[in-house]
Amino acid sequence: EAQVTQNPRYLITVTGKKLTVTCSQNMNHEYMSWYRQDPGLGLRQIYYSMNVEVTDKGDVPEGYKVSRKEKRNFPLILESPSPNQTSLYFCASGHYGVTDTQYFGPGTRLTVL
Amino acid sequence: QQQVKQSPQSLIVQKGGIPIINCAYENTAFDYFPWYQQFPGKGPALLIAIRPDVSEKKEGRFTISFNKSAKQFSLHIMDSQPGDSATYFCAARKRGGKLIFGQGTELSVKP
Repeated sequence: EAQVTQNPRYLITVTGKKLTVTCSQNMNHEYMSWYRQDPGLGLRQIYYSMNVEVTDKGDVPEGYKVSRKEKRNFPLILESPSPNQTSLYFCASGHYGVTDTQYFGPGTRLTVL
Repeated sequence: QQQVKQSPQSLIVQKGGIPIINCAYENTAFDYFPWYQQFPGKGPALLIAIRPDVSEKKEGRFTISFNKSAKQFSLHIMDSQPGDSATYFCAARKRGGKLIFGQGTELSVKP
């Protein structure tokens, strides 16, 4: 089944404790992206990647890191999480081009205490 | 700064009504304008999309109207059904891959 998977789905952590949220897709998509969703603010792009070893900042990259060493994986790293990073996070992947569609994962609910 | 502004924030219509959601953008470098639908507890899913060289696109009961000179685009849902109740997001993509979303509209279609 074609899908984007994220792990963990739910995470409660404490300020300053490094964490990684994994994202994997099995559709051979070049494009992958991370978003955070907050009430009243919609979805905001954190980082995106056009292909392996190519990453770019979205609108809200501060406090996050990403890497794209393999085409299928795009982990999101919070080196020192803070309470303002409490949010719902979505990973997405797709083909970039004339008819690009992004497929979203199920989301990761992160709470930083 | 919010480069894509979406309105209204919430919308309630009766079954069979035609809800209209509006978006306005500021950056003329956008080259692709998708709409996403999100049900509670799920990730967004692409609903319909349009490019700036087209003024209207229709897919089933969903229509996008695009006004390039006014930098506005809107989603119309014909013959709305309770199953259309969801949150809708417009978005605009800059050349190079950066995607900017509107704030979202929570639609409720009453039976």
